[in-house]
Amino acid sequence: DAKTTQPPSMDCAEGRAANLPCNHSTISGNEYVYWYRQIHSQGPQYIIHGLKNNETNEMASLIITEDRKSSTLILPHATLRDTAVYYCIVRLNTGGFKTIFGAGTRLFVKA
Amino acid sequence: DAGITQSPRHKVTETGTPVTLRCHQTENHRYMYWYRQDPGHGLRLIHYSYGVKDTDKGEVSDGYSVSRSKTEDFLLTLESATSSQTSVYFCAISSGSGTEAFFGQGTRLTVV
Repeated sequence: DAKTTQPPSMDCAEGRAANLPCNHSTISGNEYVYWYRQIHSQGPQYIIHGLKNNETNEMASLIITEDRKSSTLILPHATLRDTAVYYCIVRLNTGGFKTIFGAGTRLFVKA
Repeated sequence: DAGITQSPRHKVTETGTPVTLRCHQTENHRYMYWYRQDPGHGLRLIHYSYGVKDTDKGEVSDGYSVSRSKTEDFLLTLESATSSQTSVYFCAISSGSGTEAFFGQGTRLTVV
């Protein structure tokens, strides 16, 4: 699996969009970008994933650059409950989920 | 939480004693995983299973063994617990290739 680089922490005002970047310059053509988050000490929660095209679901949007070397997770209207550690993961979609989680980005949403 | 139950949720044990953690799923997913999470290390894969009686090692498997006799249960055993195994343990499941994994709520294990 390709290595990812994320900023250690970010702040966001409540109600504003939170844009979390991730660099994955060594990504291969068949590797997907996944985002998870972990609120306090709970188990990680799946958010979204994509290969090439931008993706959107009820939680967030995922924007992947054309060269696929970076991506951005967008929480359109951040709330205090979105304060969490966000993990960007790049992996093949085969063989199960044997994936290494890095340190992630700690997002603080402030009132 | 996608039908995943970890037990116990908290445990304190003494060095040298055996400990078994249980992960139970109701989703009939093929893959099950055990991770540990420690400050400064993120989540690290201990062992995983790709079917009944089919298991393999992850990146930090030393000192741990696993068993999967039924689709729904994946057991993690510390044969002789050490203080370095004090951690939060997460179980995860996935249905197979091309799918996301879902995590349990974790077991906080303290070895004294």
